[in-house]
Amino acid sequence: EVQLVESGGGLVQPGGSLRLSCAASGFTFSSYWMSWVRQAPGKGLEWVANIKQDGSEKYYVDSVKGRFTISRDNAKNSLYLQMNSLRAEDTAVFYCARLFLAGEPYFDYWGQGTLVTVSS
Amino acid sequence: QSVLTQPPSVSGAPGQRVTISCTGSSSNIGAGYDVYWYQQLPGTAPKLLIYGNSNRPSGVPDRFSGSKSGTSASLAITGLQAEDEADYYCQSYDSSLSGPVVFGGGTKLTVL
Repeated sequence: EVQLVESGGGLVQPGGSLRLSCAASGFTFSSYWMSWVRQAPGKGLEWVANIKQDGSEKYYVDSVKGRFTISRDNAKNSLYLQMNSLRAEDTAVFYCARLFLAGEPYFDYWGQGTLVTVSS
Repeated sequence: QSVLTQPPSVSGAPGQRVTISCTGSSSNIGAGYDVYWYQQLPGTAPKLLIYGNSNRPSGVPDRFSGSKSGTSASLAITGLQAEDEADYYCQSYDSSLSGPVVFGGGTKLTVL
């Protein structure tokens, strides 16, 4: 059974940093692209970042470029999101999701999410 | 403002059929890219409902169906049940954006 478990969320002040983690199990982690998707309170879904199987390619939504860094450790079956210079508008539930690529990309499995609150 | 446009809300009585539209443009759905649908039950993570425009993952009831035509796609739910009350999101690929994964704004389905 595929499982994705996020951790690391919490309350942080504007301008601060936070590192999210996602522990994967139930599939060959190193064989899949992985993603972070976020959802602001009461709002819709927004794709944040993707990372290729070996970490050699990374893509970001424009609003987080230069502030967020996606990474992975295939030996630990883990995905990460380093978030710096956080802003109030980054407040959201962050989901780790497996990205399936067979034609267009889509998310076939999601974690339960971790809440990031940016506030003073 | 989302790249893909969905109605904010739809409703229906138990047993009825409802449809949720997802309208895009020539750089996403109209370019021939597939559409995907996700169901988000209250307080839970999204779950893949439809992939490749009209395919259901294992375990998704056949009451759920998807279709695509031109620059739009639709999700149909027949035999509406109380447990279908959720938010539904469409998703596609957009060739004009640096971040190519795009979502609709979501539709809240209320079962009356």
